[in-house]
Parts: sequence; C-alpha cells; structure tokens
Amino acid sequence: ETGVTQTPRHLVMGMTNKKSLKCEQHLGHNAMYWYKQSAKKPLELMFVYNFKEQTENNSVPSRFSPECPNSSHLFLHLHTLQPEDSALYLCASSLGGAWGYQPQHFGDGTRLSIL
Amino acid sequence: QKEVEQNSGPLSVPEGAIASLNCTYSDRGSQSFFWYRQYSGKSPELIMSIYSNGDKEDGRFTAQLNKASQYVSLLIRDSQPSDSATYLCAASLEAGNNRKLIWGLGTSLAVNP
Repeated sequence: ETGVTQTPRHLVMGMTNKKSLKCEQHLGHNAMYWYKQSAKKPLELMFVYNFKEQTENNSVPSRFSPECPNSSHLFLHLHTLQPEDSALYLCASSLGGAWGYQPQHFGDGTRLSIL
Repeated sequence: QKEVEQNSGPLSVPEGAIASLNCTYSDRGSQSFFWYRQYSGKSPELIMSIYSNGDKEDGRFTAQLNKASQYVSLLIRDSQPSDSATYLCAASLEAGNNRKLIWGLGTSLAVNP
C-alpha cells in the first residue's frame, strides 16, 4: 500500500451532482489535509483535521463538506459545484500535533472537472 | 499577508550543471522550510526539509537557509533530465491564529540533455 491513497483519480460531474472524494493514509499520521491546486495559483489549503478534529476551514464554500471518521480516512463531499471548482484536489497527511511545522505527504490527487 | 515567493521560471540548465532554485518568505518567525518536487500531472513529493541556518545536503540536493535574509534555496548538482519538474517551496508561517505551511507558486526547471 502506498502512503496516501486517493480515489477516484479522475472525476467528471455535473453542477447538480453529489459525489465524494476519498483519502486513506497508511503512515500512522494524525493530521490530514485537503488542498486545491489550480493552474497558476499556489496550493490552497482547504481543511485540516488534527487527531480527527477539524482545526482549519480556510473560508471554503459550503458546497465542499469534509468528513474525518478516524485518523486514517478523510472524505470530501461535493454538491452543486461550480465550473471554477474544476481543479486537482490533493489529500495530504503529517504526524499531527503541531501540524503547522510538519512536512506533509501527498496522495496522487483527484482531477475534478465540472461540466 | 504572509507570503512565499519563487521565480516561476522556466529555469533552463544543461545536463550535468548545477541548478539553483530560490525562495523568499515574509515571516521572520518561520522555523520550518520544505522543498517539494512536482512532475507534470503528479502530486508534490517531499525532497528536502531544513530547520536551521546553513546548508543541508542529501545526495545531489543541498538546501540552504538564511533566516536573517529570509531566503531558502535548493541546489541540484549534476542535473539530470529526470530532474525536470516544478519545485515548490513551503514555509511554516504564522497566519491568523495558527501556524501553517504557506506555498510558493513553484519554479519550473528544465534540464536539457
């Protein structure tokens, strides 16, 4: 098993659909992250879960809803997305605790396209 | 606004040369710095971390940190075509009530055979 696994790798959805992105880490980490990566923009931190508690919501629209049932799994539930939400969505993990100082390990990402 | 700045490039070097990538950051209190490599269509991969002033070497890679001047650099010796990628700099900066990793835009490196 690779360290951080994301599914699906590619997702095409209409603006009225509901879908979920899944992330699983096998590194024994306690912090997990969702990032959005768009062309010509820096990585945008969306959400942070530290020991299963959400510690960061970076002003993300409510059409993105995260869920972290345990330290190994992270979901991003999507509904009524907009075309500008098309991007690469990356999951990452780190040791946890003082997460703001730690290196993060990334999954391969989900390439999301909104029609 | 806390920032990490990188020259977007592209930086083009011949095979076997030294590639030098630079990054500046805005927060004097920053303590953790990371370099990631991202191939086109792939996710970022951690290649170096540095926490103290000076140089840190790992194989062909050397990270250099100068906190007084607020810059961190990455040197790649004996550059290979397989090093062609975008290199992302990240720094632990104070943002709001938290300290978090802030990312640069990345520098595109092309190593020419």
